[in-house]
Amino acid sequence: DAGVTQSPTHLIKTRGQQVTLRCSPKSGHDTVSWYQQALGQGPQFIFQYYEEEERQRGNFPDRFSGHQFPNYSSELNVNALLLGDSALYLCASTLGAGGPYEQYFGPGTRLTVT
Amino acid sequence: QKEVEQDPGPLSVPEGAIVSLNCTYSNSAFQYFMWYRQYSRKGPELLMYTYSSGNKEDGRFTAQVDKSSKYISLFIRDSQPSDSATYLCAMTDFLYNQGGKLIFGQGTELSVKP
Repeated sequence: DAGVTQSPTHLIKTRGQQVTLRCSPKSGHDTVSWYQQALGQGPQFIFQYYEEEERQRGNFPDRFSGHQFPNYSSELNVNALLLGDSALYLCASTLGAGGPYEQYFGPGTRLTVT
Repeated sequence: QKEVEQDPGPLSVPEGAIVSLNCTYSNSAFQYFMWYRQYSRKGPELLMYTYSSGNKEDGRFTAQVDKSSKYISLFIRDSQPSDSATYLCAMTDFLYNQGGKLIFGQGTELSVKP
């Protein structure tokens, strides 16, 4: 049973560019959340997708957007990249009706903005 | 002031020691309290969760929640070198079927020396 998978593993971008990160949830899960983890910090909630719609959003600017596909996979898009966007981006999946503790995290995508 | 405060450490202990990790929080609406372990360059993995106040034990790990003091703890008995990782506390005011964004502490880096 595959867990949460994310691609790519690493990414280097230049300031001002745009980036798309991808996530496939654990088998049977229908809800995907995205988190940003800066070096030495805990993950910060970006947003959550359920039934192809954004259900909750954290305190992130509109440069951060997402999408969920009918197969429950998800993308995170970041426009006009800033140096401060350099971080580990984590995807977590769960069942929409499940408990908050049932969130399974992927290995993350490490984004470096130069 | 952050919603969740966690001493970042680093914490270094000898093998076999009892480890105490702690978090404080400010939002009295939090109901679910989780502890995650994160190895270097990996995503967080759930260790334990507790609902509301009380204790929960799982093998060498014990989680405690004191809602009156807004304070949670994780105890690790007979610590092993394989326990060396960053430990993250997380909590949420989860509403059933309305998602559950996790609010994380900064993480405490633990090193268990043989």
